[in-house]
Amino acid sequence: EPEVTQTPSHQVTQMGQEVILRCVPISNHLYFYWYRQILGQKVEFLVSFYNNEISEKSEIFDDQFSVERPDGSNFTLKIRSTKLEDSAMYFCASTGGRLGTDTQYFGPGTRLTVL
Amino acid sequence: DQQVKQNSPSLSVQEGRISILNCDYTNSMFDYFLWYKKYPAEGPTFLISISSIKDKNEDGRFTVFLNKSAKHLSLHIVPSQPGDSAVYFCAASSKTSYDKVIFGPGTSLSVIP
Repeated sequence: EPEVTQTPSHQVTQMGQEVILRCVPISNHLYFYWYRQILGQKVEFLVSFYNNEISEKSEIFDDQFSVERPDGSNFTLKIRSTKLEDSAMYFCASTGGRLGTDTQYFGPGTRLTVL
Repeated sequence: DQQVKQNSPSLSVQEGRISILNCDYTNSMFDYFLWYKKYPAEGPTFLISISSIKDKNEDGRFTVFLNKSAKHLSLHIVPSQPGDSAVYFCAASSKTSYDKVIFGPGTSLSVIP
């Protein structure tokens, strides 16, 4: 069974610090996504990425956020200056084809705690 | 602004019976719908999807029904198994923003052995 992996599983940071959340999507997948879930709230789409560029992004994904696929295997989410309200579970996902044409696989998530 | 609603926060069903999870949406631009399952401390798992050109899609024990006029969809699980106990999220997107999936708040399903 293919799997998406995410590191670290838990990241604690001080407000204002930069964090990078890492994801290794399934190796032959082409579409990549980040979602977040604030404790007790619903899952929210952040961004989708294809062909080395952002396909779509939500209103949450402001200038503090960026994504990168630096080496063809990792897919990272950077938050430049973390705020308390960025504390959440962050999930990475990947698909082989466009959403709806192929099964989407999620990673186990990174719990980000901003103090 | 809840564009995707799951009005039952929880549901309990006996093993072997049918589980029916409901979802309503308000945005008439939505034309693609997905169901995900999530266990505690794990990422979501995609279950099944349906596009607005269909009114039913089936995959094994899971069937999704779409009623466009009522802006309502439901997920049927038959027969329910204890391993199906999880939180189920309904989600929707539109052709104009295909990846921008809007999730509902989830329904926690407990299947009692």
